[in-house]
Amino acid sequence: EPEVTQTPSHQVTQMGQEVILRCVPISNHLYFYWYRQILGQKVEFLVSFYNNEISEKSEIFDDQFSVERPDGSNFTLKIRSTKLEDSAMYFCASSKRSNTGELFFGEGSRLTVL
Amino acid sequence: SQQGEEDPQALSIQEGENATMNCSYKTSINNLQWYRQNSGRGLVHLILIRSNEREKHSGRLRVTLDTSKKSSSLLITASRAADTASYFCATDRNNQGGKLIFGQGTELSVKP
Repeated sequence: EPEVTQTPSHQVTQMGQEVILRCVPISNHLYFYWYRQILGQKVEFLVSFYNNEISEKSEIFDDQFSVERPDGSNFTLKIRSTKLEDSAMYFCASSKRSNTGELFFGEGSRLTVL
Repeated sequence: SQQGEEDPQALSIQEGENATMNCSYKTSINNLQWYRQNSGRGLVHLILIRSNEREKHSGRLRVTLDTSKKSSSLLITASRAADTASYFCATDRNNQGGKLIFGQGTELSVKP
């Protein structure tokens, strides 16, 4: 069964460092998303991406964050200068269609900022 | 902004019993979805109910939606120890680029 894959599964970084989280969405999906979940809190929407541009982003997704689809398969989330409060589990998701269907989530990348 | 809130926050039952979780939200929606998350894992889609539907079944799952009360319930019948997980509702508004708003979740523990 096709699945969304994410790497790395866990990354530890120093505050102020740049981090890139990688995702390979399901191959025939057209919509891509990043969500995050701070430990013990709810899952929060960060950004959605379609047709090589951002469809929508949340207030969390400030100038320190960026997304890219550098080739036909990868979808990346970059955090330019990490802060302690960026420590969270980051989930990539993809869907065939927006607004009408289910999202397929990866297993997540745990980011720990020291 | 809309917000999904589940209750109870935690639920502990014996294997074979039914588990009911509720979700409330604040604004109009296109659809409401339920996801499951095993500890430390990703979210798995369980079921989607559209705003014009009132009830939906999938295996041992039954979801209801009351748009007048802005609430939904998820019933798991004949629970199994393997159903132990956190369950989240997520709401989807029109023209929101696929953005889902998740609730805090219900942590279900099914004891063998």
